[in-house]
Order: sequence, then structure tokens, then C-alpha cells
Amino acid sequence: DADVTQTPRNRITKTGKRIMLECSQTKGHDRMYWYRQDPGLGLQLIYYSFDVKDINKGEISDGYSVSRQAQAKFSLSLESAIPNQTALYFCATSPNEGTPRYFGAGTRLSVL
Amino acid sequence: QKEVEQNSGPLSVPEGAIASLNCTYSDRGSQSFFWYRQYSGKSPELIMSIYSNGDKEDGRFTAQLNKASQYVSLLIRDSQPSDSATYLCAVNDKIIFGKGTRLHILP
Repeated sequence: DADVTQTPRNRITKTGKRIMLECSQTKGHDRMYWYRQDPGLGLQLIYYSFDVKDINKGEISDGYSVSRQAQAKFSLSLESAIPNQTALYFCATSPNEGTPRYFGAGTRLSVL
Repeated sequence: QKEVEQNSGPLSVPEGAIASLNCTYSDRGSQSFFWYRQYSGKSPELIMSIYSNGDKEDGRFTAQLNKASQYVSLLIRDSQPSDSATYLCAVNDKIIFGKGTRLHILP
């Protein structure tokens, strides 16, 4: 089984719909991250969490929210999806004081 | 000025040659720097980390850091076609990535 699992792997949704992307990890790491990747734009940080009670906004948090349900689970929500949120989304984990190290396989989201 | 900048490429290098990838950063106080490799359609993979000025070698990879000039480089010796990928520079303090440089090794 993968260390970092993202579900779903692919999702097509319509403008205005609420959607949740889920991430779970078996690494036992406290730190978890959500990134989005657009062609030619690298990875942009959406939110990150250094433990269950610590949630922080990243570079591009507008239009997104997160929930850290447990050490192992970190979910990303799009409250009202819009087409420019079409992207590839990655969840990642890291040990304390480490860089994002273990990435999930990604969720490819299309908003029509 | 963006916080972490990389030339998007593509950078084409003949097989067996040295590939040189560069990254500049804006925050002079940054302390830790990382290089990731990302194959098309795959997730990023951490390949190098560097914290002190100078060079750090790991196999065919060498990371170079110059804090005074605020740049970090990745050298790939004896480039192989399997090195063709996008290379992302990251500055850990801000958990921010550059846009990445596409590297193409020519057989």
C-alpha cells in the first residue's frame, strides 16, 4: 500500500459544486501539505498543517478550506468549485523540521 | 520578484554531458534548500538537500549553495536519458517551490 493515498485520483465536477479531496498517510508524520500544480507553474502551496491543531494558509488558499481529522488524514475542500481550480492536486507529508518528502499520486480535478 | 525562480527550459543536454540547473531565491534568511525530480504525470521525488554554503555530492548529483548570491544549483554528471524530467527547487523555510526546469537529455 502507498504511504500517502489520495482519493479520488480523478474527478470531474461542475462549477459551483462543493468537492472534497482526501489524503491519508501511514508514515506517522505530523506535517501534511496540500499543493496544486498547473502546467508550467510548479507546485503552489494551498494549506499546510504541522499537527492536528495547527492549520496554516499557503500561497493560494482563497477558495479552499482544509480539515485535519486526525494525524493521518488531511482533507481539502473546494466550497464552490470554479473552472480555474482545474489542476493536479498533491498531498504530501514530512517528518518534523523536514521538507515535504512523501507525495501522494495526485488528484486530477476538472471543473466544467 | 518571485520568491523562488527557475528557468522553465527546456534545457537540452547531450547524453553523457553535465546538466546544470539553477535556482535563485529572494529571502536572504532562508536556511534549507531542496531539489526534487518530477517525471511527467508523476509526483515529485526528493533527490537532494543542502543547508550550508558549498557543494554536496550524492552519486551523479551535486548541489551547490551560495547564500551570498542567493542561488542554489544542481549539477547532473554523465547525464542519462532517464534524467529527462522537470526539476523543482524548493526553499524549505517557506515550503515554496520554484516553477521547475524541464530537462531533456538527448540520446
